[in-house]
Amino acid sequence: AQKITQTQPGMFVQEKEAVTLDCTYDTSDPSYGLFWYKQPSSGEMIFLIYQGSYDQQNATEGRYSLNFQKARKSANLVISASQLGDSAMYFCAMREPFQGAQKLVFGQGTRLTINP
Amino acid sequence: NAGVMQNPRHLVRRRGQEARLRCSPMKGHSHVYWYRQLPEEGLKFMVYLQKENIIDESGMPKERFSAEFPKEGPSILRIQQVVRGDSAAYFCASSPQKTGGMDTQYFGPGTRLTVL
Repeated sequence: AQKITQTQPGMFVQEKEAVTLDCTYDTSDPSYGLFWYKQPSSGEMIFLIYQGSYDQQNATEGRYSLNFQKARKSANLVISASQLGDSAMYFCAMREPFQGAQKLVFGQGTRLTINP
Repeated sequence: NAGVMQNPRHLVRRRGQEARLRCSPMKGHSHVYWYRQLPEEGLKFMVYLQKENIIDESGMPKERFSAEFPKEGPSILRIQQVVRGDSAAYFCASSPQKTGGMDTQYFGPGTRLTVL
């Protein structure tokens, strides 16, 4: 069963606009963590933001925020005031420690292109 | 504080040869994870190790693949008798000793394996 779903294979956004990247997940575990990573064309994986299932507030890190809707099982990444350097692949991932699993399960990714 | 180190960054092997991929975790991190990324796909978990122990190898192919994390030195992912289907990017991630919380995994730059 697909644990993490990213429904947008690609997105094109004008520079300085805000962009929302969708992520839905599936788990029966009450305790889990959700992560977003950025993969630029150079290939490395850069950690962006984390949201825990028990966190009361949505996570924010600079221009990144996570729109966490627990009942809908969605954890969308919002990038405000997009920049050309934001062009990259973005992956949503989940971890379920109470299942005894420390591994991250990744979605298929969304390729974001920022146009000048 | 140096990040996760992986070497080599690029590795070319002919079918039937062996590939050895190395990973040095971040300083203070005792947990190592290996993931594989096929072209245009998300990362797939392979194995989770702590010093001298394999904790979870549920994502490792049953044959030709092995991993170790010795008491001294880097973690090694070894692929014997490589085939073209092994061509992929192999990422190592590390996290600090589990404190009961949700530790973030920090990724290395990856090793791009090409099998001719």
